[in-house]
Amino acid sequence: DIQMTQSPASLSASLGETVTIECLASEDIYSNLAWYQQKPGKSPQLLIYDASSLQDGVPSRFSGSESGTQYSLEINSLQSEDAATYFCQQHHDYPWTFGGGTKLELK
Amino acid sequence: QVTLKESGPGMLQPSKTLSLTCSFSGFSLSTSGMVVSWIRQPSGKSLEWLAAIDWDGDKYYNPSLKSRLTVSKDTSNTQVFLKITSVDIADTATYYCARRSYYSSSRAYVMDAWGQGASVTVSS
Repeated sequence: DIQMTQSPASLSASLGETVTIECLASEDIYSNLAWYQQKPGKSPQLLIYDASSLQDGVPSRFSGSESGTQYSLEINSLQSEDAATYFCQQHHDYPWTFGGGTKLELK
Repeated sequence: QVTLKESGPGMLQPSKTLSLTCSFSGFSLSTSGMVVSWIRQPSGKSLEWLAAIDWDGDKYYNPSLKSRLTVSKDTSNTQVFLKITSVDIADTATYYCARRSYYSSSRAYVMDAWGQGASVTVSS
């Protein structure tokens, strides 16, 4: 199985700040990576697909990038509604696997 | 509008078989490239992909659970089912179904729609 190591597990930031969440794949996943946002009691919502493509309707302050097997999600100009847990997911090969999640708290 | 909705027993006893249904609308599972997956999430934990079935009827399973899982779909391609045999407390989780579709404009496969989740508790 492809392992997705996500960091940090949690972070706290202030409104207007920029944060970065990372996922390291255990092998090449050829950009087959998605980022999801999940709020308590809700299902995950797609933010980014193919490592850097913004899903329709998602604010442009969310962006994705990659460097080798390292994938990053950047959130600019943090808003209060960005408080959530974020997950990465690879779909290059079955079984699809998820990162452990990053809980983002707004100060 | 694409919608998916999971349904299940809510609670069941250890050693029983868990049967889940994903009812969906707004797309057809017979469309080339379409896949419906099952994913679960224990409370406070991450997500675990369980199984998938594609437009061609091909099935994919998580090897860690493969011997206990069966995914299937109905002939009208509007429902997908998951059975998990011999459940135990560790199977307590919220179970989601999700659609993976093909975005022709960007030539990308995208898991872009999830159901609201069905909570399942295994308890004696």
